[in-house]
Amino acid sequence: NAGVTQTPKFRILKIGQSMTLQCTQDMNHNYMYWYRQDPGMGLKLIYYSVGAGITDKGEVPNGYNVSRSTTEDFPLRLELAAPSQTSVYFCASRALGANTEAFFGQGTRLTVV
Amino acid sequence: AQKVTQAQTEISVVEKEDVTLDCVYETRDTTYYLFWYKQPPSGELVFLIRRNSFDEQNEISGRYSWNFQKSTSSFNFTITASQVVDSAVYFCALSETPSGNTPLVFGKGTRLSVIA
Repeated sequence: NAGVTQTPKFRILKIGQSMTLQCTQDMNHNYMYWYRQDPGMGLKLIYYSVGAGITDKGEVPNGYNVSRSTTEDFPLRLELAAPSQTSVYFCASRALGANTEAFFGQGTRLTVV
Repeated sequence: AQKVTQAQTEISVVEKEDVTLDCVYETRDTTYYLFWYKQPPSGELVFLIRRNSFDEQNEISGRYSWNFQKSTSSFNFTITASQVVDSAVYFCALSETPSGNTPLVFGKGTRLSVIA
């Protein structure tokens, strides 16, 4: 049972480069989220999706883009990497309903130099 | 707007001591859910418990217990007889609206260090 899978686990980017963080879930969950966690800090919501074809901005969306063409996949795109985007990125999914817990991927540690 | 406050940034205790992690929330909804997650040093986020706004019964699971009080908007987490393996960052989270369309909002976390 894979749950939520994120790739890659680690990445170093140069300033100005682009990359896509992949996230896929096999639980048929409607809701998917991207959070970032800066060192010693909590989780900040970047983008979220309540279903295929629907995405919404979270607390810190600038510098990122997402798409949700299928229920399973929710990739996060960084177009022009900046040092401020150095962080650990977590993807999560939830089933329908406010009472459901979120399942998290293992995280992607991104460093922008 | 929903908000979760974990005022304790870091706590250190000696093994076998009891420790309580505080969580205070704000919401305008009458129906909401509260969660606790654990993030051990390995980095993954592990779900511990959920509680709905209509159920104020305390919950006990082994050495873990949770005290939900609507009157003070708090959902505190107590670890009894702490162990080194309890060392982690603990997050409290809130989910509003019956549909669950609003994402989980997390507190900033409390880093617990249990010293042998």
